[in-house]
Parts: sequence; structure tokens; C-alpha cells
Amino acid sequence: GQNIDQPTEMTATEGAIVQINCTYQTSGFNGLFWYQQHAGEAPTFLSYNVLDGLEEKGRFSSFLSRSKGYSYLLLKELQMKDSASYLCAVRDSNYQLIWGAGTKLIIKP
Amino acid sequence: TAGITQAPTSQILAAGRSMTLRCTQDMRHNAMYWYRQDLGLGLRLIHYSNTAGTTGKGEVPDGYSVSRANTDDFPLTLASAVPSQTSVYFCASSESSGDQETQYFGPGTRLLVL
Repeated sequence: GQNIDQPTEMTATEGAIVQINCTYQTSGFNGLFWYQQHAGEAPTFLSYNVLDGLEEKGRFSSFLSRSKGYSYLLLKELQMKDSASYLCAVRDSNYQLIWGAGTKLIIKP
Repeated sequence: TAGITQAPTSQILAAGRSMTLRCTQDMRHNAMYWYRQDLGLGLRLIHYSNTAGTTGKGEVPDGYSVSRANTDDFPLTLASAVPSQTSVYFCASSESSGDQETQYFGPGTRLLVL
């Protein structure tokens, strides 16, 4: 079967750095997405990786290793507004997105 | 720009009743999707449409039907609701169904089936 694994919850301190990991086993691979979802709101797009390596976008970076079935989202200079769930999703061979359950990130002052 | 709108925002529905969740986008996106989101689970695809006039089944299609008569609208119908359909329903769209296409989500409909 297809599976996306992420930690259920993480806690970090304002101003610090946090890394959210995602491992996947899917039928085919056509890209990996990270989305942010604040409580009670819709998911919003953060990043996309299809080739191995690091993609940097401001305070957020996303890394992919296709051979290891692994990605991480790195958040720097954490702000209270970064408290949210972070969703990892992989596009499979049928071009459908398979979603992880999300990682709830709690930021403490 | 409105983006994607969904209606209603929330609903309490008696088991056995039918209901249509509405979804409209103004971005002229070709592809549209319906997901359900349940606590502890990832978003699960119910149905999708790659272009107006076509639809396909996702991971959890049973008990749901969709239509795509035009580009903008993608309604989801529950013919006879059951309590297990209690969930948050998100509609999403993307310019196409290709590799890099980002999906944009509506605000969601919170449905409670009693």
C-alpha cells in the first residue's frame, strides 16, 4: 500500500529552527509537496520538490532524497504564526496526491 | 479574487438525508478535487475531475457522487448520508493535473451526520 509518515506533533521555541520529517512509500513518484494548515482553515501551498536536493524559500526550506523516500521541511527563525499543521503529500504514478496525516507544530515563546 | 468558495460552511444532517456540497472556482482551473479530512488521517481524495465533462473516482468514492457540467462548478452529493460521512470536506483546484501543479483549497465544509 501507499504510506506517508510524519511525526504527529512537535514543539519548538520562538526564534529557533525546526525540521519536520516525512518518509514515503508510494506507487511511483511525481513530486512531493508541503502544505501549511492553520487550525480550522484550508491547507495552503508551501513548497514543491521533484529533484533531489534543497529548495529554499525565505524562512522555509524543503529537502528531498528520492532514493531514501525522504523529505524534510526546515523552518528557521520561528514565529508564533508558524504554529500550524504541516502536511506532506506525494504525487503518485496516477498523478494523485497521497497525503500524510500532518505534523502539528506548537511554537512556545 | 475569490479563488474557491464552498457552501455551506457547516451543516448538521440527519442520517438518510441527501445533501449537495457546492464548490465554485473563478480561476478557470481545469482540474478540481474533493477531499475529506478526518482527525488523525491525511486528506483522502473522494472524486476528481481533470477537465469539464469528465470525473474520476479517488480513494474513498463510495456514498458520494460528483458532476462537472462546466469549468467553474464541482458539486459533491451525498445521496443518503451516514454518520461515517461526518468530516470536513475540502474542494481544491489546479490549473491542470500535471506534475508541478499546485492545488488551491477552498475554506471547507464541516458536516455532522447524526
